[in-house]
Amino acid sequence: QSALTQPASVSGSPGQSITISCTGTSRDVGNYNLVSWYQQYPGKAPKLIIYEVNKRPSGVSNRFSGSKSGNTASLTISGLQAEDEADYYCCSYAAGTTLFGGGTKLTVL
Amino acid sequence: QLQLQESGPRLVRPSETLSLTCSVSGGSISRSTYYWGWVRQPPGKGLEWIGNIYYSGSTYYNPSLKSRVTISVDTSKNQFSLRLNSVTAADTAVYYCVVDTGGYGFDYWGQGSLVTV
Repeated sequence: QSALTQPASVSGSPGQSITISCTGTSRDVGNYNLVSWYQQYPGKAPKLIIYEVNKRPSGVSNRFSGSKSGNTASLTISGLQAEDEADYYCCSYAAGTTLFGGGTKLTVL
Repeated sequence: QLQLQESGPRLVRPSETLSLTCSVSGGSISRSTYYWGWVRQPPGKGLEWIGNIYYSGSTYYNPSLKSRVTISVDTSKNQFSLRLNSVTAADTAVYYCVVDTGGYGFDYWGQGSLVTV
């Protein structure tokens, strides 16, 4: 199994919106609506911010949204804030296994 | 509110077995809708799923680690465990215990335990 593909880095200015892509295959992202996204600060455990493609856990800001088209899932952060600077990972279920993306470092300029 | 805490040796010799335990508080490990798992992160690198176990004992492992991994549950202690055999330096990582409470996302994480081989 191969990891899901994410851009290594993205950046944006405060107030802007950014989108992080997560590309898999028809055996994982494309076949299941079971994509999740995690936010991780340095030295901290990851935090679930999106599950089942576009659902937000209680307490997660509505500035975070998820979507999927074909084999690619996306995380959009609107109204970018300095506190959003972190690493972001996508994750997909795939027939008894689970795949993570390589991670994307978000820099808020 | 579930809380997870990893414990175990932080230093393991090459070719030996890495063993970690995750203690669960705030809920029962026997909850039927939950599945428990392990994720690791080598220093400076991304996340890697190791495997999951359901309350029933059914297990699912990363194919790249399957031959070396065992995940088990001890309901009497409200704990679950990870064993990884024949470790090498490539297994050096922060190991997280995690739980999915039914939404196909790992919604609770332990603080992580750095294990060095």
